[in-house]
Amino acid sequence: EAQVTQNPRYLITVTGKKLTVTCSQNMNHEYMSWYRQDPGLGLRQIYYSMNVEVTDKGDVPEGYKVSRKEKRNFPLILESPSPNQTSLYFCASSLSGMGIGTEAFFGQGTRLTVV
Amino acid sequence: AQKVTQAQTEISVVEKEDVTLDCVYETRDTTYYLFWYKQPPSGELVFLIRRNSFDEQNEISGRYSWNFQKSTSSFNFTITASQVVDSAVYFCALRDTDKLIFGTGTRLQVFP
Repeated sequence: EAQVTQNPRYLITVTGKKLTVTCSQNMNHEYMSWYRQDPGLGLRQIYYSMNVEVTDKGDVPEGYKVSRKEKRNFPLILESPSPNQTSLYFCASSLSGMGIGTEAFFGQGTRLTVV
Repeated sequence: AQKVTQAQTEISVVEKEDVTLDCVYETRDTTYYLFWYKQPPSGELVFLIRRNSFDEQNEISGRYSWNFQKSTSSFNFTITASQVVDSAVYFCALRDTDKLIFGTGTRLQVFP
């Protein structure tokens, strides 16, 4: 089954404790991206990757890191989480970037709470 | 500027009523793509439809229909004979170069 898998689904952590949210897709997609969803703001892009070893900042990259060492995986790293990073996070993938209007597949979401 | 506006924050209807969710977009591109996603209470994002700017034909899928009008920059979504299972947050989105630009979403509550 084609899917994007995020882990964990729920996470409560303390300020400053490094964490990683994993994202994996099994569709051989080149493009992957992270979004955060906040009430009243919709979804905003954090980082994206057009292919292996190629990553770029989205609209709200501050406080986040990503890596793309393999095509299927695109982890989101919070080196020193803060309460304003409490949010619902989504990983997405699509065949070859958004340039041809391809459908984006989204993971199930990760609800992160930083206390 | 690239922007998507969903002016309706929340809509409540009774089952079997028809309901239309509005989406207005702004884009500098002559070729563009628009999307609708559904987010049920379980939280995942479910793809509903993709529409490119070349195709202004309205689309119908069961109880769902979409009205794309370039003249008013709108891509509205209508649910006919709504059901409780339609209760969700619905997002309209516009493809930008390397991302989707989402509206703020419309929460639809369908009461029995």
